[in-house]
Amino acid sequence: GPKVLQIPSHQIIDMGQMVTLNCDPVSNHLYFYWYKQILGQQMEFLVNFYNGKVMEKSKLFKDQFSVERPDGSYFTLKIQPTALEDSAVYFCASSSVQDTQYFGPGTRLLVL
Amino acid sequence: GDKVKQSPSALSLQEGTNSALRCNFSIAATTVQWFLQNPRGSLMNLFYLVPGTKENGRLKSAFDSKESYSTLHIRDAQLEDSGTYFCAAEAISNYNVLYFGSGTKLTVEP
Repeated sequence: GPKVLQIPSHQIIDMGQMVTLNCDPVSNHLYFYWYKQILGQQMEFLVNFYNGKVMEKSKLFKDQFSVERPDGSYFTLKIQPTALEDSAVYFCASSSVQDTQYFGPGTRLLVL
Repeated sequence: GDKVKQSPSALSLQEGTNSALRCNFSIAATTVQWFLQNPRGSLMNLFYLVPGTKENGRLKSAFDSKESYSTLHIRDAQLEDSGTYFCAAEAISNYNVLYFGSGTKLTVEP
C-alpha cells in the first residue's frame, strides 16, 4: 500500500534542545497529520495540516510545537524547547480528501 | 471520558479459532479505521469503513453508525495475527481527526 516515511527512526536529545521530526507523505496526498503515542498507551491526535495551514490542533499541541511543509518537501514537526514529557513515539500520517489515513513507522523520541 | 472505548484490552487465542474485537463510540462517528500495530510499532491499515461491512481474507469488519459501534472479526487465527489492534473514528464535528481506542493486545498461541 501507500508508504509514509519518517526520518529519523530514533532520536535522543537533552531537555531544552530543539528537535525536528521529518515526514515524507504519500506523494499525491493533501492532508498531513501528527499523532503522539506514549509507550503502551493509545495514539493521540496532535495536529492536521492542509494547504499550508494548521486546520486543527489538540491541547497536546503545545506552544513549543510547530509544523510546516515548505515547498512540498518534508512535512516537519519541530519542538523547541523540548521537555521530558515530550518523550514518545511520533507518528506522521497523510491522506487524500476524506479517505484513509496512512501512517509512517514513527520516530521514537527520548528527551533526557 | 474516552471517545472510543475498545474491548477487550487483551486477548489470547489458540491458532485456528475465531474472535471479535469491539469499539463503542461516544462521538457521532462517520468513518472508522482499524489498524494492526506490530511489535516494532508500525501501523498497518486493515480497514477504512463508512457505515456497513467489509471483508478481507480472514478479517471482517462492520461499522454501525446509528448504534455507534464497530467490530473486527478474526477467523481462523494465525500466529502472525498477533499484535495490538486499534480502532479509530472520525467524528462529524472533526473531519480529519482520528480518535483512537486504547487497543486490544492479541496473542495467538500454537
